[in-house]
Order: sequence, then structure tokens, then C-alpha cells
Amino acid sequence: AQKITQTQPGMFVQEKEAVTLDCTYDTSDQSYGLFWYKQPSSGEMIFLIYQGSYDEQNATEGRYSLNFQKARKSANLVISASQLGDSAMYFCAMREIRGGSNYKLTFGKGTLLTVNP
Amino acid sequence: DAGVIQSPRHEVTEMGQEVTLRCKPISGHDYLFWYRQTMMRGLELLIYFNNNVPIDDSGMPEDRFSAKMPNASFSTLKIQPSEPRDSAVYFCASGAVEEKLFFGSGTQLSVL
Repeated sequence: AQKITQTQPGMFVQEKEAVTLDCTYDTSDQSYGLFWYKQPSSGEMIFLIYQGSYDEQNATEGRYSLNFQKARKSANLVISASQLGDSAMYFCAMREIRGGSNYKLTFGKGTLLTVNP
Repeated sequence: DAGVIQSPRHEVTEMGQEVTLRCKPISGHDYLFWYRQTMMRGLELLIYFNNNVPIDDSGMPEDRFSAKMPNASFSTLKIQPSEPRDSAVYFCASGAVEEKLFFGSGTQLSVL
């Protein structure tokens, strides 16, 4: 079964508008973390934002915010005031704590975001 | 810190040849991960280490793949013999407990 599901293979948004990228996850762990990474066409993986399962407030990092709905097991990324440089592939990932401090990070398939001028 | 350093950036080889990918993690990070990225399968976790010890290698596709971490500052991923279906981008990433992963720039492997 998929641990991380990103249902939008591609998304389009107009410059300066906000966009939401969807992510749902599946875990039976009580303690876990959710991450979003950006991969531009150059190929590097850039960390954007992190949400812990016990964090009560939604995480924010500049124009990025994470809409965390624990009961629905969703962790959507919201990008406000989109810029042309936001065009990239976006990956949602989950870290599960297994056996003490050990953990592994599992990625979704990604969403390709295109920002139109 | 220079970040996670991977070498080579690009590798083109012929089927049957041995390929060795290298990774230097960020100093102080006690976790190291090897991922493979393809269009069809996305980002797949191959293996990860904690304090130089392999913790989970269930993602390693076959016995042709092996990974080592002889010390805290160096890891290798070896494919022997290589096959065309191994063509992919291979990422190394490092991190500390409770923190985000930092990725290297990746190695683009092409097996002809």
C-alpha cells in the first residue's frame, strides 16, 4: 500500500496566485514527521517545510505553509503568491520512527507545478 | 559546510561493468540514505545507515547492488554487473535524528 499519495501529477497556477498541493499519508505510528521537498529542473532536492505529528500549529516557512489535518491524514502544501521560480516538482515525504531513533523517509510520486506568467 | 557531496555527477558505462558511486555526508550527521529516482518508480529508498551501520537494505533491488559505509564521512554504492535498467539518478542524503534530510546533487547513471 502507498504510504504517501500525491493525487495531482500536474498543477498549473497563475503568477502571484496561491496554490495547494495535496498529500495524504498512511501510518499507524503515533510519532511521525511530514516533509515537503522541491526539485527544480536542475535536479537538486530542496527542503521546504516540516510538520511533526505532535505539532499543534501548522508549519510555515515564508511563502510556504503546511495545512496539517491529522484526523484526515493529510498534509497539503500551500504556496502563496506564486513566482515563476516555483515551477518545479514537489514531493511530500513521511518519516516514521521505528525501533527507537531509527527512521526512514518515504516519498510520494510528486506533483509537477507550472507557474504561468 | 559544503553539504552532501556525491561523485561522479555523471557516469556512462556499458552493460556488465562495475559502477561505484560515492558520497560524503555532512559532518555530524549520523544517518545516511541512498535513493534512486526514475520516471517510472519515482524516489525509491535503497538502503540507509545509522552510525555507519546498515539499518534497512530492503530496497536494494538485487544482489548486484551493495553499499558500504566504512566510516562516518564516506559511503559507496556499488553495482556489479550493471544493467541498462539500472539507469537512473542516484541520490545520497544525510541527516540527524528529528531533522530534515540534506540531499547531494545526485549521480546521473546511464548504462548502455
